[in-house]
Amino acid sequence: AQTVTQSQPEMSVQEAETVTLSCTYDTSENNYYLFWYKQPPSRQMILVIRQEAYKQQNATENRFSVNFQKAAKSFSLKISDSQLGDTAMYFCAFMDGGSQGNLIFGKGTKLSVKP
Amino acid sequence: EPEVTQTPSHQVTQMGQEVILRCVPISNHLYFYWYRQILGQKVEFLVSFYNNEISEKSEIFDDQFSVERPDGSNFTLKIRSTKLEDSAMYFCASGPPGASAYEQYFGPGTRLTVT
Repeated sequence: AQTVTQSQPEMSVQEAETVTLSCTYDTSENNYYLFWYKQPPSRQMILVIRQEAYKQQNATENRFSVNFQKAAKSFSLKISDSQLGDTAMYFCAFMDGGSQGNLIFGKGTKLSVKP
Repeated sequence: EPEVTQTPSHQVTQMGQEVILRCVPISNHLYFYWYRQILGQKVEFLVSFYNNEISEKSEIFDDQFSVERPDGSNFTLKIRSTKLEDSAMYFCASGPPGASAYEQYFGPGTRLTVT
Protein backbone atom coordinates (compact mmCIF):
# COMPACT_ATOMS: atom_id res chain seq x y z
CA ALA A 1 0.00 0.00 0.00
CA GLN A 2 1.15 3.49 -0.74
CA THR A 3 1.97 5.75 2.18
CA VAL A 4 2.93 9.38 2.58
CA THR A 5 4.99 10.62 5.51
CA GLN A 6 5.50 14.17 6.66
CA SER A 7 7.98 14.12 9.50
CA GLN A 8 7.61 17.75 10.58
CA PRO A 9 4.33 18.33 12.47
CA GLU A 10 5.08 22.03 12.90
CA MET A 11 7.48 24.57 11.47
CA SER A 12 7.93 28.29 11.65
CA VAL A 13 9.74 30.79 9.48
CA GLN A 14 10.35 34.51 9.52
CA GLU A 15 8.60 36.59 6.92
CA ALA A 16 10.65 36.93 3.71
CA GLU A 17 12.81 33.90 4.51
CA THR A 18 12.83 30.49 2.85
CA VAL A 19 11.47 27.30 4.35
CA THR A 20 11.47 23.69 3.16
CA LEU A 21 8.81 21.16 4.10
CA SER A 22 9.68 17.48 3.86
CA CYS A 23 7.68 14.62 2.43
CA THR A 24 8.55 11.02 1.69
CA TYR A 25 6.36 8.40 0.13
CA ASP A 26 6.38 4.72 -0.50
CA THR A 27 5.14 3.04 -3.67
CA SER A 28 6.08 0.28 -6.04
CA GLU A 29 4.41 2.07 -8.94
CA ASN A 30 6.30 3.93 -11.62
CA ASN A 31 3.45 6.13 -12.83
CA TYR A 32 2.12 8.49 -10.20
CA TYR A 33 1.54 12.09 -9.24
CA LEU A 34 2.61 14.08 -6.21
CA PHE A 35 0.96 17.16 -4.80
CA TRP A 36 1.28 19.80 -2.16
CA TYR A 37 -1.97 21.22 -0.81
CA LYS A 38 -2.34 24.22 1.46
CA GLN A 39 -5.12 24.42 4.03
CA PRO A 40 -5.38 27.87 5.65
CA PRO A 41 -7.47 28.44 8.75
CA SER A 42 -10.55 28.87 6.52
CA ARG A 43 -10.07 25.14 5.89
CA GLN A 44 -10.50 25.12 2.10
CA MET A 45 -7.71 23.01 0.64
CA ILE A 46 -5.90 24.65 -2.23
CA LEU A 47 -3.55 22.95 -4.66
CA VAL A 48 -0.13 24.55 -4.43
CA ILE A 49 1.88 22.47 -6.85
CA ARG A 50 1.79 19.18 -8.73
CA GLN A 51 4.55 16.93 -10.02
CA GLU A 52 4.22 14.10 -12.52
CA ALA A 53 6.60 11.27 -11.68
CA TYR A 54 7.70 10.83 -15.28
CA LYS A 55 8.97 14.41 -15.41
CA GLN A 56 12.53 14.88 -14.25
CA GLN A 57 12.26 18.64 -14.04
CA ASN A 58 11.11 19.93 -10.68
CA ALA A 59 7.79 21.79 -10.73
CA THR A 60 7.73 25.49 -9.89
CA GLU A 61 4.85 27.85 -9.20
CA ASN A 62 5.98 31.38 -8.41
CA ARG A 63 7.49 31.27 -4.89
CA PHE A 64 6.80 27.55 -4.53
CA SER A 65 9.08 24.87 -5.87
CA VAL A 66 9.66 21.20 -5.22
CA ASN A 67 12.69 19.00 -4.96
CA PHE A 68 11.56 15.69 -6.42
CA GLN A 69 14.00 12.85 -5.79
CA LYS A 70 12.36 9.82 -7.38
CA ALA A 71 14.95 7.26 -6.35
CA ALA A 72 14.82 8.45 -2.74
CA LYS A 73 11.01 8.80 -2.91
CA SER A 74 11.27 12.29 -1.56
CA PHE A 75 9.17 15.31 -2.49
CA SER A 76 9.97 18.44 -0.52
CA LEU A 77 8.35 21.84 -0.91
CA LYS A 78 10.37 25.03 -0.80
CA ILE A 79 8.64 28.31 -0.10
CA SER A 80 10.73 31.35 -0.94
CA ASP A 81 10.15 34.87 0.36
CA SER A 82 7.62 33.59 2.90
CA GLN A 83 4.56 35.75 3.43
CA LEU A 84 2.13 35.95 6.34
CA GLY A 85 -0.56 34.51 4.07
CA ASP A 86 1.49 31.33 3.73
CA THR A 87 0.54 30.42 7.29
CA ALA A 88 -1.43 27.18 6.91
CA MET A 89 -1.36 23.42 7.13
CA TYR A 90 0.51 21.91 4.22
CA PHE A 91 -0.36 18.43 3.05
CA CYS A 92 1.74 16.27 0.79
CA ALA A 93 -0.33 13.84 -1.30
CA PHE A 94 0.24 10.95 -3.68
CA MET A 95 -1.91 9.54 -6.44
CA ASP A 96 -1.30 6.34 -8.36
CA GLY A 97 -1.43 7.02 -12.09
CA GLY A 98 -4.09 4.36 -12.52
CA SER A 99 -6.29 5.71 -9.77
CA GLN A 100 -9.66 7.35 -10.32
CA GLY A 101 -8.96 10.13 -7.88
CA ASN A 102 -7.71 8.48 -4.72
CA LEU A 103 -5.41 11.08 -3.19
CA ILE A 104 -3.35 9.66 -0.34
CA PHE A 105 -2.42 12.38 2.11
CA GLY A 106 0.28 12.79 4.70
CA LYS A 107 -0.55 14.03 8.18
CA GLY A 108 0.39 17.58 7.34
CA THR A 109 2.86 20.20 8.50
CA LYS A 110 1.60 23.29 10.28
CA LEU A 111 3.58 26.26 9.00
CA SER A 112 3.60 29.55 10.85
CA VAL A 113 5.08 32.61 9.19
CA LYS A 114 6.16 35.15 11.77
CA PRO A 115 6.40 38.89 11.11
CA GLU B 1 -13.26 32.56 -9.46
CA PRO B 2 -15.62 29.57 -9.29
CA GLU B 3 -15.46 27.54 -6.09
CA VAL B 4 -16.82 24.30 -4.73
CA THR B 5 -19.37 25.00 -2.02
CA GLN B 6 -20.65 22.72 0.72
CA THR B 7 -23.65 22.88 3.01
CA PRO B 8 -24.12 22.90 5.90
CA SER B 9 -20.82 24.07 7.34
CA HIS B 10 -21.58 22.19 10.55
CA GLN B 11 -24.08 19.41 11.12
CA VAL B 12 -24.90 17.85 14.44
CA THR B 13 -26.84 14.60 14.47
CA GLN B 14 -27.68 11.83 16.85
CA MET B 15 -26.23 8.37 16.53
CA GLY B 16 -28.38 6.22 14.29
CA GLN B 17 -29.77 9.09 12.27
CA GLU B 18 -29.28 9.58 8.55
CA VAL B 19 -27.47 12.64 7.26
CA ILE B 20 -27.03 14.09 3.80
CA LEU B 21 -24.07 16.30 3.10
CA ARG B 22 -24.40 18.53 0.10
CA CYS B 23 -21.87 19.84 -2.35
CA VAL B 24 -22.17 22.12 -5.33
CA PRO B 25 -19.20 21.42 -7.61
CA ILE B 26 -17.77 23.94 -10.03
CA SER B 27 -20.27 24.19 -12.85
CA ASN B 28 -18.47 22.57 -15.79
CA HIS B 29 -16.74 19.88 -13.74
CA LEU B 30 -17.45 16.24 -14.42
CA TYR B 31 -15.45 14.41 -11.74
CA PHE B 32 -16.57 14.41 -8.13
CA TYR B 33 -15.00 13.18 -4.91
CA TRP B 34 -15.61 12.88 -1.20
CA TYR B 35 -12.92 12.79 1.48
CA ARG B 36 -13.07 12.88 5.24
CA GLN B 37 -10.71 14.02 7.97
CA ILE B 38 -11.20 12.78 11.48
CA LEU B 39 -9.88 15.35 13.93
CA GLY B 40 -6.12 15.07 14.24
CA GLN B 41 -5.83 12.44 11.53
CA LYS B 42 -5.08 12.32 7.83
CA VAL B 43 -7.45 13.31 5.08
CA GLU B 44 -8.85 10.05 3.70
CA PHE B 45 -10.37 9.30 0.31
CA LEU B 46 -13.91 7.96 0.33
CA VAL B 47 -15.17 7.83 -3.23
CA SER B 48 -14.87 9.20 -6.74
CA PHE B 49 -17.81 9.60 -9.10
CA TYR B 50 -17.99 10.14 -12.83
CA ASN B 51 -20.69 9.77 -15.45
CA ASN B 52 -23.28 8.99 -12.79
CA GLU B 53 -21.45 6.08 -11.29
CA ILE B 54 -18.78 5.37 -8.72
CA SER B 55 -15.33 5.18 -10.28
CA GLU B 56 -13.41 4.14 -7.20
CA LYS B 57 -14.12 3.78 -3.50
CA SER B 58 -12.08 3.11 -0.43
CA GLU B 59 -12.60 0.49 2.27
CA ILE B 60 -14.17 3.17 4.41
CA PHE B 61 -16.97 3.62 1.88
CA ASP B 62 -19.12 0.71 2.94
CA ASP B 63 -22.85 0.11 2.63
CA GLN B 64 -23.49 2.84 5.17
CA PHE B 65 -22.47 5.43 2.58
CA SER B 66 -23.95 6.41 -0.74
CA VAL B 67 -23.44 9.20 -3.23
CA GLU B 68 -25.76 10.78 -5.69
CA ARG B 69 -25.90 13.54 -8.22
CA PRO B 70 -29.63 14.23 -7.99
CA ASP B 71 -29.62 17.09 -10.49
CA GLY B 72 -27.17 18.96 -12.66
CA SER B 73 -25.63 20.93 -9.85
CA ASN B 74 -25.56 19.01 -6.56
CA PHE B 75 -23.46 16.10 -5.41
CA THR B 76 -24.48 14.49 -2.15
CA LEU B 77 -23.04 12.08 0.38
CA LYS B 78 -25.56 10.16 2.44
CA ILE B 79 -24.58 8.41 5.64
CA ARG B 80 -27.21 6.00 6.91
CA SER B 81 -27.42 5.22 10.60
CA THR B 82 -24.53 7.43 11.71
CA LYS B 83 -22.04 6.21 14.29
CA LEU B 84 -19.92 8.18 16.72
CA GLU B 85 -16.82 7.41 14.66
CA ASP B 86 -18.38 9.14 11.63
CA SER B 87 -17.67 12.46 13.34
CA ALA B 88 -15.24 14.19 10.99
CA MET B 89 -14.75 16.94 8.49
CA TYR B 90 -16.11 15.89 5.10
CA PHE B 91 -14.63 17.47 2.01
CA CYS B 92 -16.12 17.45 -1.45
CA ALA B 93 -13.93 18.01 -4.50
CA SER B 94 -14.55 18.31 -8.21
CA GLY B 95 -12.42 18.09 -11.31
CA PRO B 96 -12.76 19.59 -14.79
CA PRO B 97 -13.28 17.59 -17.99
CA GLY B 98 -10.11 16.40 -19.61
CA ALA B 99 -8.01 16.84 -16.48
CA SER B 100 -8.11 13.25 -15.37
CA ALA B 101 -8.11 12.61 -11.66
CA TYR B 102 -5.13 14.73 -10.74
CA GLU B 103 -6.84 18.09 -10.78
CA GLN B 104 -9.16 18.33 -7.82
CA TYR B 105 -10.68 21.47 -6.38
CA PHE B 106 -11.81 21.18 -2.79
CA GLY B 107 -14.73 22.70 -0.96
CA PRO B 108 -14.48 24.19 2.53
CA GLY B 109 -15.86 21.07 4.20
CA THR B 110 -18.77 20.13 6.41
CA ARG B 111 -18.03 19.35 10.02
CA LEU B 112 -20.21 16.42 11.09
CA THR B 113 -20.65 15.82 14.79
CA VAL B 114 -22.42 12.63 15.84
CA THR B 115 -23.60 12.60 19.45
